[in-house]
Amino acid sequence: QKEVEQDPGPLSVPEGAIVSLNCTYSNSAFQYFMWYRQYSRKGPELLMYTYSSGNKEDGRFTAQVDKSSKYISLFIRDSQPSDSATYLCAMREAGSYQLTFGKGTKLSVIP
Amino acid sequence: NAGVMQNPRHLVRRRGQEARLRCSPMKGHSHVYWYRQLPEEGLKFMVYLQKENIIDESGMPKERFSAEFPKEGPSILRIQQVVRGDSAAYFCASSSGTDNTIYFGEGSWLTVV
Repeated sequence: QKEVEQDPGPLSVPEGAIVSLNCTYSNSAFQYFMWYRQYSRKGPELLMYTYSSGNKEDGRFTAQVDKSSKYISLFIRDSQPSDSATYLCAMREAGSYQLTFGKGTKLSVIP
Repeated sequence: NAGVMQNPRHLVRRRGQEARLRCSPMKGHSHVYWYRQLPEEGLKFMVYLQKENIIDESGMPKERFSAEFPKEGPSILRIQQVVRGDSAAYFCASSSGTDNTIYFGEGSWLTVV
């Protein structure tokens, strides 16, 4: 079993839809959870950074962490064509600097 | 991504040549990380450096790959005698050390022909 599992998609939604992106993981020592957005041929851009379980909201983005289920989610409200990108989940253990990434989910928002 | 500068953005090398990738961290950051993204794969950690020190190179292939972060100048990832399997995107990232938030550069795309 891979440490971090992420459905690669592709996921296509109409503009304005709510998007749900998810990752599961097997390492219970992961404490910090991140979502990055990566446009084609660009570097990953940090969207959300959360610690342990709970929710965090930033504009149209909401990150959820459920450590008991080893499951994290990113919700995008009122999706826009400019949200079309690959979304990467990443996580790390407390005291560690190494990020473990999912393979990414490719999202297309259709106008 | 603003602030972590990588060059070259695109590099083509023939098999057996050397590739040198450079990274200047974000202003105020003294911690540098290199990650590799192979086609259809997730980003994989390669090496973590601070000025003049390699802290963790557990993700680096044992041969042909080396990294440095000198007292002056950018961090360098060096790949000797490149092979087709080295074709990938190489991302540099940096952090301040006090805040473990990691910011990535735009990447260097290496193609080995």
